[in-house]
Amino acid sequence: DAGVIQSPRHEVTEMGQEVTLRCKPISGHDYLFWYRQTMMRGLELLIYFNNNVPIDDSGMPEDRFSAKMPNASFSTLKIQPSEPRDSAVYFCASSSTRGRDWETQYFGPGTRLLVL
Amino acid sequence: GQQVMQIPQYQHVQEGEDFTTYCNSSTTLSNIQWYKQRPGGHPVFLIQLVKSGEVKKQKRLTFQFGEAKKNSSLHITATQTTDVGTYFCAGTYHTGNQFYFGTGTSLTVIP
Repeated sequence: DAGVIQSPRHEVTEMGQEVTLRCKPISGHDYLFWYRQTMMRGLELLIYFNNNVPIDDSGMPEDRFSAKMPNASFSTLKIQPSEPRDSAVYFCASSSTRGRDWETQYFGPGTRLLVL
Repeated sequence: GQQVMQIPQYQHVQEGEDFTTYCNSSTTLSNIQWYKQRPGGHPVFLIQLVKSGEVKKQKRLTFQFGEAKKNSSLHITATQTTDVGTYFCAGTYHTGNQFYFGTGTSLTVIP
């Protein structure tokens, strides 16, 4: 398995622009998580899905952030409009509640976002 | 709310010295996981502890889960430069629910 795939790996954009981050979880995993990591705030959980359904989005900073999971193999995190304070590394992770890797979170390589 | 605290935030050690990071929760955890993130990388799963008082070892790494399932520790014996990175604990309060990540301990190993 290729692991969790994220795209793009790097994104530089200007304030006010829309940013869309993409994630392909590991096949067969039923949980998907979006995290944001900054030096100041550490690793923050933004939202997570179970079987494509959003379970807890209390970590989403504000209405400018939205996340979707239209099917089991794809999720997006959208920021519209983006602001400089959104600059961070955004990680997607997936996990399964079945099998020997029960609840182990596999992280993607991350998207490094810089908003100018 | 539920929160997992981790200390210390930073640790510098001479190569060959031991290192320990601690995680604490005010309420009982269902289980706890440990992750390592190398500089510029992404968190990578190390281990999961489920049982009260559980101790697991991976070569020079020893993981413990407290009897009350409210704290955990990661101990590295005789650190090496390859141990450099940030170590995170992540606890869950209910099976199948989200994991709460600690703030991480950044380990620097001085050759």
